[in-house]
Amino acid sequence: NAGVTQTPKFRVLKTGQSMTLLCAQDMNHEYMYWYRQDPGMGLRLIHYSVGEGTTAKGEVPDGYNVSRLKKQNFLLGLESAAPSQTSVYFCASSYSVLDTGDSGANVLTFGAGSRLTVL
Amino acid sequence: GNSVTQMEGPVTLSEEAFLTINCTYTATGYPSLFWYVQYPGEGLQLLLKATKADDKGSNKGFEATYRKETTSFHLEKGSVQVSDSAVYFCALASYSSASKIIFGSGTRLSIRP
Repeated sequence: NAGVTQTPKFRVLKTGQSMTLLCAQDMNHEYMYWYRQDPGMGLRLIHYSVGEGTTAKGEVPDGYNVSRLKKQNFLLGLESAAPSQTSVYFCASSYSVLDTGDSGANVLTFGAGSRLTVL
Repeated sequence: GNSVTQMEGPVTLSEEAFLTINCTYTATGYPSLFWYVQYPGEGLQLLLKATKADDKGSNKGFEATYRKETTSFHLEKGSVQVSDSAVYFCALASYSSASKIIFGSGTRLSIRP
């Protein structure tokens, strides 16, 4: 089925360890996003990309790095995990976030989420 | 800057009750407005959207009208079901938000049988 796939779904890390979350989409979307979801905080944008080879900071980028080497993949890295990074991470993609007149252009498609626990 | 404010949860209703979840926004220009829904253990999915003033988005019995004069996009449903239990997010996208969709903090809805 077409959509957004995140791996892994669950991970437990110790403080200071590193890891990478992978997001893959097969819809030929230009835009990709990483969000974190915490209780009472809603969704907060970490980093995003408007095309292959580009990345930009979102609302809460500190402690994270991203790469978009291929159009279909968007990687989120934690170089030195901290307990404050315990969260559920969601990847999303879209054709465009701006209203181009196409009713589907600015709709986000989300992955199922990756639950990360840092001890 | 742009922002979205939605009513605090959790909201608990009995089956067949009327639902309103309030959402107001602050934005320059003419944003597009959305409601996303997150069912337990899943990612968010689009519920409905509206792209200009006075547009009404609707899906699965839910409706929301884009009110520019009150900068609101309240979600309503006439008769809720247990299967509507989920977290609902209001969101906006605009040229001034520079490629970012801005989400509200979410409202958890629980429906009692």
